[in-house]
Amino acid sequence: GDSVTQMEGPVTLSEEAFLTINCTYTATGYPSLFWYVQYPGEGLQLLLKATKADDKGSNKGFEATYRKETTSFHLEKGSVQVSDSAVYFCALSDSGAGSYQLTFGKGTKLSVIP
Amino acid sequence: GAGVSQSPSNKVTEKGKDVELRCDPISGHTALYWYRQSLGQGLEFLIYFQGNSAPDKSGLPSDRFSAERTGGSVSTLTIQRTQQEDSAVYLCASSLAAEVGNTIYFGEGSWLTVV
Repeated sequence: GDSVTQMEGPVTLSEEAFLTINCTYTATGYPSLFWYVQYPGEGLQLLLKATKADDKGSNKGFEATYRKETTSFHLEKGSVQVSDSAVYFCALSDSGAGSYQLTFGKGTKLSVIP
Repeated sequence: GAGVSQSPSNKVTEKGKDVELRCDPISGHTALYWYRQSLGQGLEFLIYFQGNSAPDKSGLPSDRFSAERTGGSVSTLTIQRTQQEDSAVYLCASSLAAEVGNTIYFGEGSWLTVV
């Protein structure tokens, strides 16, 4: 079946540091890939997505590139802020699974300190 | 409405009681999903609807769990004879259609505590 593996953290960074959260996947079909973010006390929000190989999703300074050859979708940000403190979830949607629902990684908690 | 709306936001119930959780998806969204988020298990898929039918119920953990959707809109997740291990946040989500690549929008969840 489909699965998503991401570094579990927690990750603690100083403000303005570079962020990478690794995400790899296995899928039976040709998936679309997503990063969702959950800020403290809030619901899940889509951060960015990519629907085909070599696509780059970007939003709020975050980027991730769909790498089919390495089955990866790593999240990066060049300079994190305290307001980026949240839990980040990598996910995929795959027609090969037959249902189009999202399969999530376990989440990575990021804490950014001033 | 503007987003996916869920109620109640918090529910405390006694073990053995039944609970109903409601979801109102974004207007015009034909696909609706239920997930469960708990500390030990992360985000688990429960069931999804396309219109009023549920093509995939594979994630429902036991026959105590059921869900229905009426009018292609509101959905109710029912848990019968609740157990302590049912304590979790139950998330509802919707998308325009069940297609790979469509953005799935989440509600803020219903936090269920079984005591």
